[in-house]
Amino acid sequence: QKEVEQNSGPLSVPEGAIASLNCTYSDRGSQSFFWYRQYSGKSPELIMFIYSNGDKEDGRFTAQLNKASQYVSLLIRDSQPSDSATYLCAVEDRGSTLGRLYFGRGTQLTVWP
Amino acid sequence: GAGVSQSPRYKVAKRGQDVALRCDPISGHVSLFWYQQALGQGPEFLTYFQNEAQLDKSGLPSDRFFAERPEGSVSTLKIQRTQQEDSAVYLCASSLRLTNTDTQYFGPGTRLTVL
Repeated sequence: QKEVEQNSGPLSVPEGAIASLNCTYSDRGSQSFFWYRQYSGKSPELIMFIYSNGDKEDGRFTAQLNKASQYVSLLIRDSQPSDSATYLCAVEDRGSTLGRLYFGRGTQLTVWP
Repeated sequence: GAGVSQSPRYKVAKRGQDVALRCDPISGHVSLFWYQQALGQGPEFLTYFQNEAQLDKSGLPSDRFFAERPEGSVSTLKIQRTQQEDSAVYLCASSLRLTNTDTQYFGPGTRLTVL
């Protein structure tokens, strides 16, 4: 069973601060990593994916991947109250079912004004 | 359509009843996934279709769960003799799956409550 672990939070940051969300995974051979945002009562929405070691930036979001440490993180710069949501880390299955995702339980982020 | 749709959005069933949950994927999307999300948890994989073929059903928790996609578009997840532990949000996701970078788009989910 592939494990995806996230710090459960809740994480609370003031508006304008950097929010840092962390995730570790058990399958050393995993190749594809995703961050989803889920507002309360809504479905997950993809915000970033990363395949290569290093950083990937998209607007206020930066995903960081370290395959040697089996660690992936998401940084949110200039956090806004609208960023308040649960952030789900997901790892793609390497087996025959392309696209099958293993999710962590999510980190709840609250950005207060 | 504009996105993945699911119906009903909410379903309350008495223990022992059968339920059927419907998913309409984005038109043209080859891949369709069903996930189960319990309260406070991340989604867990149930089953996967490529067109009409069910290629992976290893996540279905028991033989009370059955899914189909007979014409390669709409899919139905059926749960027989529902139990309280089946209470969860059932999410459907679809993707083009032409490359391994294709995004999975999730539907709004069906919240099932078994009394």
